[in-house]
Amino acid sequence: SQQGEEDPQALSIQEGENATMNCSYKTSINNLQWYRQNSGRGLVHLILIRSNEREKHSGRLRVTLDTSKKSSSLLITASRAADTASYFCAGLNSGGSNYKLTFGKGTLLTVNP
Amino acid sequence: ETGVTQTPRHLVMGMTNKKSLKCEQHLGHNAMYWYKQSAKKPLELMFVYSLEERVENNSVPSRFSPECPNSSHLFLHLHTLQPEDSALYLCASSQSDRGYSPLHFGNGTRLTVT
Repeated sequence: SQQGEEDPQALSIQEGENATMNCSYKTSINNLQWYRQNSGRGLVHLILIRSNEREKHSGRLRVTLDTSKKSSSLLITASRAADTASYFCAGLNSGGSNYKLTFGKGTLLTVNP
Repeated sequence: ETGVTQTPRHLVMGMTNKKSLKCEQHLGHNAMYWYKQSAKKPLELMFVYSLEERVENNSVPSRFSPECPNSSHLFLHLHTLQPEDSALYLCASSQSDRGYSPLHFGNGTRLTVT
């Protein structure tokens, strides 16, 4: 089953604005990860937040995690045209012995100059 | 430079062809993965190797055959593929196969089956 589901599917903003993307998941997770993918390229890891953490920052990125609502959000502040990409969340199922990192379909972010 | 190199970048093959995708990681990681990325669908995990042993085979058709000769190299052998197998195939590596460390992806092979 799909562990991460991003919302919205597409987001278009102006340079300098903030962009917020949301992710919902179905089962308990050990951690939740956010990745970025530029067109025609591979995914790049942005940030990992553990289930016992509520918020994490990395540069212009801020990730929150609400395990009671099974949701996470990624905030990009002061966006730039270079932030244009698809953003994916991926949840690591907890309780299993095998690696089960399940990705969502992604949010396509367009930052207009 | 991602530390994970995939070749070729693009591949067009007929349904009767046999071809191989290659992945090499320069990060000293112990786990390697094949993912399939199709339009409008979530990333699909195909295979996981940990210290050269296959630990996951996610119900992938036998026309896809992985090979991991050492912890730095991973291959995906393809034969008698179907048009619906056209997709971006991504290789990734991580420090361990337990999901506690992030994945490092290559730039993928864009496969078109005609």
